[in-house]
Amino acid sequence: GQQLNQSPQSMFIQEGEDVSMNCTSSSIFNTWLWYKQDPGEGPVLLIALYKAGELTSNGRLTAQFGITRKDSFLNISASIPSDVGIYFCAGQLLSSNTGKLIFGQGTTLQVKP
Amino acid sequence: DGGITQSPKYLFRKEGQNVTLSCEQNLNHDAMYWYRQDPGQGLRLIYYSQIVNDFQKGDIAEGYSVSREKKESFPLTVTSAQKNPTAFYLCASNSGRFETQYFGPGTRLLVL
Repeated sequence: GQQLNQSPQSMFIQEGEDVSMNCTSSSIFNTWLWYKQDPGEGPVLLIALYKAGELTSNGRLTAQFGITRKDSFLNISASIPSDVGIYFCAGQLLSSNTGKLIFGQGTTLQVKP
Repeated sequence: DGGITQSPKYLFRKEGQNVTLSCEQNLNHDAMYWYRQDPGQGLRLIYYSQIVNDFQKGDIAEGYSVSREKKESFPLTVTSAQKNPTAFYLCASNSGRFETQYFGPGTRLLVL
């Protein structure tokens, strides 16, 4: 199946630093979602984006739906230890007639106190 | 409390055995999904159902089967034909085609 290219694959940062990750594709999407997954748990929705160019914040998190509809980024400002986990992007193709999502491979974030 | 429940948390399968993973939601969502997650990888779609009594294969349906007899329930059976079943299985649901998917807590399947 199709996949999204998510980068970076992993990050190891100092507490307080800002973090940026992104997802790209050659296909056009009508929805972008960002999830966080803690070890042994299901993914939890962080931010949902529905319009090209949309910029949405959730606390220290900010995400944008790319203007070309082919990419999205997630920024985390002033990271804290509880930000540790795996972050996934997911998108729904514009051409899809179902609710199927395509997922990125994930970005593993580690934060050093 | 509204949400998605999966049981059991851990499941052990013997060689040649079929096992069934439970997924229940009380969110009144029409659509439900099953994903498989392997270490260091993203989620891959096994099966999905957009409405009761109807379901479609995802990208990796071989060796799995599902049923959707009730809106609230979407059990997944891992059959003996699935030669590499060890993985983390996630169930999700949403209320429609353009709506956000919400996930359950997952079931980890291990082979004895």
